[in-house]
Amino acid sequence: QLQLQESGPGLVKPSETLSLTCTVSGGSIISSTFYWGWIRQPPGKGLEWIGNIYSSGSTYYNPSLTSRVTISLDTSKNLFSLKLTSVTAADTAVYYCASNYGVAVIVGLYWGQGTLVNVPS
Amino acid sequence: EVVMTQSPATLSVSPGERATLSCRASQSVSTKLAWYQQKPGQPPRLLIYGASTRATGIPARFSGGGSGTEFTLTISSLQSEDFAVYFCQHYNNWPPTFGQGTKVEIK
Repeated sequence: QLQLQESGPGLVKPSETLSLTCTVSGGSIISSTFYWGWIRQPPGKGLEWIGNIYSSGSTYYNPSLTSRVTISLDTSKNLFSLKLTSVTAADTAVYYCASNYGVAVIVGLYWGQGTLVNVPS
Repeated sequence: EVVMTQSPATLSVSPGERATLSCRASQSVSTKLAWYQQKPGQPPRLLIYGASTRATGIPARFSGGGSGTEFTLTISSLQSEDFAVYFCQHYNNWPPTFGQGTKVEIK
C-alpha cells in the first residue's frame, strides 16, 4: 500500500519561498507510468492542481502557477518536492501530495494527509 | 482551462434515501471524469474514475454516469458515513480541474 507524507514549515512569510517535501513509502518514485503531484486547497474552498512530475523528470505545471512553481524528484530518498516562490496570502492552503500509482489516469488515487501552510497578509 | 460546475451546492438527504449529484464541464471531457468524497480534516478519497468505474474498495451504492459535459454521481441509499463533500474532477487535458463541491448533509 502506497503511503505519502508531506513535511515542511507551516508558516511562510510573504514574498518568500514555500518548500515542501513528500516522502513516499510502499512504492518507488522511479516507476515510469505514474505521476507524483501536488494539489492544494485553501481553507473552506475547492481543490487546485498545482503540478505533476514523472520519473523521467518531465513536469507539468498549472499555467496559473507555472512562473512560480518547481517540482523535483530525489530518487535517493524516494521523495519529491514542491517549491513555490514569491508567496502571498492567496497561497495559504492545505497542500497535498498525491499520486495515481496503479491506475493509468490523472486522478488522485493516493493522497498524503495534507499540510497547512499559512502565509500571513 | 475546463471549468467544472457542480450542483446543487448543498443537498439535504435523509439516511436511506437516494442522492444524485451533478457535474457539468464547460467543454467536452469525454468520460475522463472522476468523483471524490472528502470529510473534514481528511484528504479526498477517490470514488469513481472514467465517469463510471468504481475505485478499489468503493461500495456498490456509489455509481457514476454521463459523458461529454454532463455527469452524475448517485448514492443509492445514503449511509451515515456518506455525509461529506463531493468533488468532480476532469482529466481530459492539462490542467485537471475540480468542481467547487457539493455538500451532502443530513436532512
